[in-house]
Amino acid sequence: NAGVTQTPKFQVLKTGQSMTLQCAQDMNHEYMSWYRQDPGMGLRLIHYSVGAGITDQGEVPNGYNVSRSTTEDFPLRLLSAAPSQTSVYFCASTTTSGGAFGELFFGEGSRLTVL
Amino acid sequence: AQSVAQPEDQVNVAEGNPLTVKCTYSVSGNPYLFWYVQYPNRGLQFLLKYITGDNLVKGSYGFEAEFNKSQTSFHLKKPSALVSDSALYFCAVRPLGGYNKLIFGAGTRLAVHP
Repeated sequence: NAGVTQTPKFQVLKTGQSMTLQCAQDMNHEYMSWYRQDPGMGLRLIHYSVGAGITDQGEVPNGYNVSRSTTEDFPLRLLSAAPSQTSVYFCASTTTSGGAFGELFFGEGSRLTVL
Repeated sequence: AQSVAQPEDQVNVAEGNPLTVKCTYSVSGNPYLFWYVQYPNRGLQFLLKYITGDNLVKGSYGFEAEFNKSQTSFHLKKPSALVSDSALYFCAVRPLGGYNKLIFGAGTRLAVHP
């Protein structure tokens, strides 16, 4: 059981480049989300999805796009990378069955550096 | 504004001593409260949660947390610390109406010394 898988683990971009962080989960979770982790700021929610075809913005959505075409996958796109997007990115998922918000399962993280 | 505060950047404790990592929250209504742990270069792992009921919640690895509604606190505790408990700990809250969102604190680094 792989859980939540993120790729790549490390990436270096130049300002203005685009890229996609991949996230896949094999637990049939309805809810998926992307967070960024910065020193002293904890985790901040970027975007989230409650099911295929449904996405919504979190706390810090600017500069990022998402889509959810399948239950399993939730990619995060940076259209024009900026140094302020240098961070560690985490994908997380959970079930929403029964109306409960279960504990989040996190991927191992993707460390992005924008020069 | 709804928020979570972890007032200590770092907590130092000797192995075998009890530990407490503090968390307070500012959320309207009855929140869901969570603790997560992060080991170096890893993702966060769920420790425990409070939804309703008994104010003392027991979780993984011998950790427990006490919900105090009057003090709006949810402190993480362990009776006897281990060196392997050294990690970054995050408190999180699901606010009223925030069905799909967790608000995380800034994190507290726990260092357990032999």
